[in-house]
Amino acid sequence: GAVVSQHPSRVICKSGTSVKIECRSLDFQATTMFWYRQFPKQSLMLMATSNEGSKATYEQGVEKDKFLINHASLTLSTLTVTSAHPEDSSFYICSARDTSGTSSYEQYFGPGTRLTVT
Amino acid sequence: GENVEQHPSTLSVQEGDSAVIKCTYSDSASNYFPWYKQELGKRPQLIIDIRSNVGEKKDQRIAVTLNKTAKHFSLHITETQPEDSAVYFCARGQSGYSTLTFGKGTMLLVSP
Repeated sequence: GAVVSQHPSRVICKSGTSVKIECRSLDFQATTMFWYRQFPKQSLMLMATSNEGSKATYEQGVEKDKFLINHASLTLSTLTVTSAHPEDSSFYICSARDTSGTSSYEQYFGPGTRLTVT
Repeated sequence: GENVEQHPSTLSVQEGDSAVIKCTYSDSASNYFPWYKQELGKRPQLIIDIRSNVGEKKDQRIAVTLNKTAKHFSLHITETQPEDSAVYFCARGQSGYSTLTFGKGTMLLVSP
């Protein structure tokens, strides 16, 4: 099946700094990637849809100037958490759609990034 | 709207028993219904999905049923095993729109 990688898997940063998270589709091209945030014991909350070569679409309540998304190639999307605060601490998961096969609905998830802001 | 309600939030069963998790959705345009399994600290894994042109799909011990009229779909796991213990999420999608809306999840605990 399609593989999505995410880096780093875990990051600790100080309040006020920025953190970049990478999401890569390893064996397929992904014109669309998604960024989710998951708090402990909660569901996946979609933050934004990342489209290759165009601006990301943010969900209501998600600050686009705080969570910068860049989808510069068909296999890489990045999420930068700017001026991070402790309340940004969460599990960030990306997913990607492989539209080349018979199932264009299916999303493949990355392993997630645990962000801790101290 | 596109809300997805999922029940129960937790489910405890004995090994060998069956487990059923139910989800309801509100958007009648929904036509894709995947189920994901997420173990603690790991990525969600697709375990089964169903499209709106069928009412049931089965894969070994896992089955999903869909009632379009009532707008609900269910996950059925038979002969549960301790390794089935995880959080299960239902979701809905719609052709032409790439996003999925997830339910709140069900923590399944299978006791040996």
